[in-house]
Amino acid sequence: DAGITQSPRHKVTETGTPVTLRCHQTENHRYMYWYRQDPGHGLRLIHYSYGVKDTDKGEVSDGYSVSRSKTEDFLLTLESATSSQTSVYFCAITDSGGKKETQYFGPGTRLLVL
Amino acid sequence: RKEVEQDPGPFNVPEGATVAFNCTYSNSASQSFFWYRQDCRKEPKLLMSVYSSGNEDGRFTAQLNRASQYISLLIRDSKLSDSATYLCGLNAGNNRKLIWGLGTSLAVNP
Repeated sequence: DAGITQSPRHKVTETGTPVTLRCHQTENHRYMYWYRQDPGHGLRLIHYSYGVKDTDKGEVSDGYSVSRSKTEDFLLTLESATSSQTSVYFCAITDSGGKKETQYFGPGTRLLVL
Repeated sequence: RKEVEQDPGPFNVPEGATVAFNCTYSNSASQSFFWYRQDCRKEPKLLMSVYSSGNEDGRFTAQLNRASQYISLLIRDSKLSDSATYLCGLNAGNNRKLIWGLGTSLAVNP
């Protein structure tokens, strides 16, 4: 258990509405990631963070922004949700010890944009 | 060619069978390789890292073939509880990002 929680776990929203998803970790990991997972596309990286206020884009960052003002929290914001952003969103961290690229995932957020 | 490719399956096998999956990759600079297991509507969970010399964890054996650029996962004596999707992940170079295959679906039948 890597001590990762995500909130909300489920959300239904309407097109054009802003949405913020939260990832919280309790073990002071430096690297955090946001993925979306869709049938036929697998896990795709949206944004990642390598420290407080240090973030970078992944392969599918359009329409998403992130913020990390504290080590333990990594927020993903959909500025104006679209139906194409209906997906399952996973947060992940990289284990600071051991094999450094090993990632551990939160339980996921299921987002439906109507 | 996709960066990471897996046969989506499904693989349907009887209990007790041995089953193997492969995952091919295109970036020869990849250094770290992993197998994850994902149950339906759950998050991916680390099954095992893949080491150059191959490694075993109980009924599970992982191998890396750098020359042919693939990793493999062998499951012996399959259990009903092994039914899941198996994802391969690998780093795309000297960074902390992983890229992922689409997963291989395994159904172990009684």
